[in-house]
Amino acid sequence: AQRVTQPEKLLSVFKGAPVELKCNYSYSGSPELFWYVQYSRQRLQLLLRHISRESIKGFTADLNKGETSFHLKKPFAQEEDSAMYYCALSSSGSARQLTFGSGTQLTVLP
Amino acid sequence: GAVVSQHPSRVICKSGTSVKIECRSLDFQATTMFWYRQFPKQSLMLMATSNEGSKATYEQGVEKDKFLINHASLTLSTLTVTSAHPEDSSFYICSARVPQSYGYTFGSGTRLTVV
Repeated sequence: AQRVTQPEKLLSVFKGAPVELKCNYSYSGSPELFWYVQYSRQRLQLLLRHISRESIKGFTADLNKGETSFHLKKPFAQEEDSAMYYCALSSSGSARQLTFGSGTQLTVLP
Repeated sequence: GAVVSQHPSRVICKSGTSVKIECRSLDFQATTMFWYRQFPKQSLMLMATSNEGSKATYEQGVEKDKFLINHASLTLSTLTVTSAHPEDSSFYICSARVPQSYGYTFGSGTRLTVV
């Protein structure tokens, strides 16, 4: 069974400080991992995916298969980064369902 | 980009009645859609996978007779909560995988309140 763990429910940092949102996964196959973000009163939206190795809004995430982690990082947090962040894993079957972590509420303080 | 439209955004119904929630892919075809339920301050829990032209696949513990899913076309999936009870009150979200990409797009969700 696949599982995604986000150990921090709440995370607060000051503006300009580095931020790291942790994500660990458990999956027997080759994982496909994502970070989704939900701003206040908005729908869930894709932030980035491991396969594209991109940086979005200054965020990056590297898949570490040895540590089964996909931590989300940003060197200088901004107030507009305050949101709920979900790490998610897609199964490799035909349906490719997404399994979500429990989410981390990030608050960037002025 | 690929958009999924979900309606209604909010609905209040009486116990015992049924409520239908629609999820439409606006600019792409979705052979598979996913229905999630989200409790307050909790993560999204997958309820079922909706397959166009065939029966939905339900996750363990989800009553298929209570949560009826119909995916009659490549752009529309519906979730009907039958004989609703107050404990069915929740936030329901649909999603679809965007073709030729590795991403999923989500509806804006439906807040169901059963009184």
